Amino acid sequence: DTGVSQDPRHKITKRGQNVTFRCDPISEHNRLYWYRQTLGQGPEFLTYFQNEAQLEKSRLLSDRFSAERPKGSFSTLEIQRTEQGDSAMYLCASSPTLWGKGANEQFFGPGTRLTVL
Amino acid sequence: KQEVTQIPAALSVPEGENLVLNCSFTDSAIYNLQWFRQDPGKGLTSLLLIQSSQREQTSGRLNASLDKSSGRSTLYIAASQPGDSATYLCARRVKAAGNKLTFGGGTRVLVKP
Repeated sequence: DTGVSQDPRHKITKRGQNVTFRCDPISEHNRLYWYRQTLGQGPEFLTYFQNEAQLEKSRLLSDRFSAERPKGSFSTLEIQRTEQGDSAMYLCASSPTLWGKGANEQFFGPGTRLTVL
Repeated sequence: KQEVTQIPAALSVPEGENLVLNCSFTDSAIYNLQWFRQDPGKGLTSLLLIQSSQREQTSGRLNASLDKSSGRSTLYIAASQPGDSATYLCARRVKAAGNKLTFGGGTRVLVKP
């Protein structure tokens, strides 16, 4: 399977703990995105990388959140001192930089479901 | 203010009926609009992408239209099947807003056999 992969698929943690999620984009996609989705809502944008550069961050990304993409391939999203309000599905997507048909189409991974007790 | 709206939030139809899903957006400076399918507890599957220069895209039983002037996109699913039961999300990208997608809340579809 050459789609976007995310690990872990599920994470249960206690309030105050740190968690880290990993995303592996589709090979050769140089753009990578993180979104957060709460129950019954559409996903909300968190941050975006082009290669290893983090080019955009949402106001949703508080100082407890940090994302990296050190070699322009996989990315990690870390949440420090988790709170119950952080419980959500964290989705990763990637897209190529192309022009023409299909340009910038985003492809999503299966998500990591975080539950903070 | 909701930038992308999907009404209704839920829809139930008998098998074989055509589905019409609506998506409204407030910013006419749209770069592209993407329709997704999401099964419960799963990630998003891209269905169709419409560039701002296009009026519609088709893939099998799916057809999506885009009307920038009225701020609307419609996803048509012909001859619905129980396997089409899922949540359908639209998302738009605006030129001035970088590369992020802004999603609607989704329409949850149930196709009854």
